[in-house]
Amino acid sequence: EAAVTQSPRNKVAVTGGKVTLSCNQTNNHNNMYWYRQDTGHGLRLIHYSYGAGSTEKGDIPDGYKASRPSQENFSLILELATPSQTSVYFCASGGTGGSYEQYFGPGTRLTVL
Amino acid sequence: AQKVTQTQTSISVVEKTTVTMDCVYETRDSSYFLFWYKQTASGEIVFLIRQDSYKKENATVGHYSLNFQKPKSSIGLIITATQIEDSAVYFCAMREGNTNAYKVIFGKGTHLHVLP
Repeated sequence: EAAVTQSPRNKVAVTGGKVTLSCNQTNNHNNMYWYRQDTGHGLRLIHYSYGAGSTEKGDIPDGYKASRPSQENFSLILELATPSQTSVYFCASGGTGGSYEQYFGPGTRLTVL
Repeated sequence: AQKVTQTQTSISVVEKTTVTMDCVYETRDSSYFLFWYKQTASGEIVFLIRQDSYKKENATVGHYSLNFQKPKSSIGLIITATQIEDSAVYFCAMREGNTNAYKVIFGKGTHLHVLP
């Protein structure tokens, strides 16, 4: 069965600190995504990737970087965390060649104080 | 620009009835894919059903079906014989393009409450 895991599941960070959120998928999907979810905004796309070594900006990339070192792993990096980045972050993977639906991780709740 | 809009913030229905959730989208692509996802109270997000833009017939999976009206850029989700466990937030999503680097964006979601 398709599996996407995220770590950590919960994180408290200080303003100005560096935060790295990690995502791992065992689906062998080419595409991976990072979204944030806030009340009233649904799921907003931050960064996505179509394969190892690639990253693309989504709709709200400011303040975030992404890294895709391998097919399985996709990280979201907050170099200088701010309280406005307090949110729930979801990672997803998606296939190609006819299987386009996404599989989501359980989410990471990030609080920036 | 790519955009997905769900105008219904919350819907309440009585168990065993049928509910329709609306979604409209904007795209410049001639080929695109539309999806509905469900987010449960635990936060889990799962894929429900998909519609390919080039297909005229509406997709159906179990008690979920779609009302695809391409001229109106509309993709409604229909749930028949609703159950208490259908209470959740439902997201509409769209994927554009035929290249490998495709974006998938979501609407803001509709919260469905199924009442006994």
